[in-house]
Amino acid sequence: EIVLTQSPGILSLSPGERATLSCRASQSIYSDSLAWYQQKPGQAPRLLISGGARRATGIPDRFSGSGSGTVFTLTIDKLEPEDFAVYFCHHYDISQFTYGPGTKVDVK
Amino acid sequence: QVHLVESGGGVVQPGGSLRLSCVGSGFSFNDYGMHWVRQAPGKGLEWVAFIWYDGSKNYYADSVKGRFTISRDNSKNTLFLQMNSLRGEDTAVYYCARIDGAGYYDKTTYIESWGQGTLVTVSS
Repeated sequence: EIVLTQSPGILSLSPGERATLSCRASQSIYSDSLAWYQQKPGQAPRLLISGGARRATGIPDRFSGSGSGTVFTLTIDKLEPEDFAVYFCHHYDISQFTYGPGTKVDVK
Repeated sequence: QVHLVESGGGVVQPGGSLRLSCVGSGFSFNDYGMHWVRQAPGKGLEWVAFIWYDGSKNYYADSVKGRFTISRDNSKNTLFLQMNSLRGEDTAVYYCARIDGAGYYDKTTYIESWGQGTLVTVSS
């Protein structure tokens, strides 16, 4: 079973700054089997990125995904007030699905 | 617009059973694979179960295997999760979710749309 770890647990930044979130897999995975979700309090998660780097419909281009092997990154350029939330990485394949523990991006 | 509405949550005693339902609308329900994902209070996301578009294959997390059953009725655009032998650690918000394909292609099994969730509390 693939285990995902995310760092940092909490990222304190100011609006306008860049956020760099890391997701590490316990073994090498295909980059196109990695997704990222955003979740705000009291809401369901929202798909940001699938296939490692493909933005979902309606997601602003300040969100970008990258990485390969065991290390993946979600970058948010110039944080907007609505971007302060929890972010989860997610590995998917035909029969196994795992989520990272999440990174909370909060206001510094 | 994809719309998923869960129901059936509530308070149940340890060892009890509960059946969750999820009605899908705004898309061709019988063309898409579906997941159940849960989130314990204040915790992260945990995958629970996955079913193909036609119900021919399903998969479970080890934590629920043998206790939970995922199924679907495409004639009613409805997804189900039968939960038996419930434990305290099953307490969570349960989300119904749709993937980006039918289920047989591994690159599209990520969740594209989520319901708002239904809370299951297992407590005596």
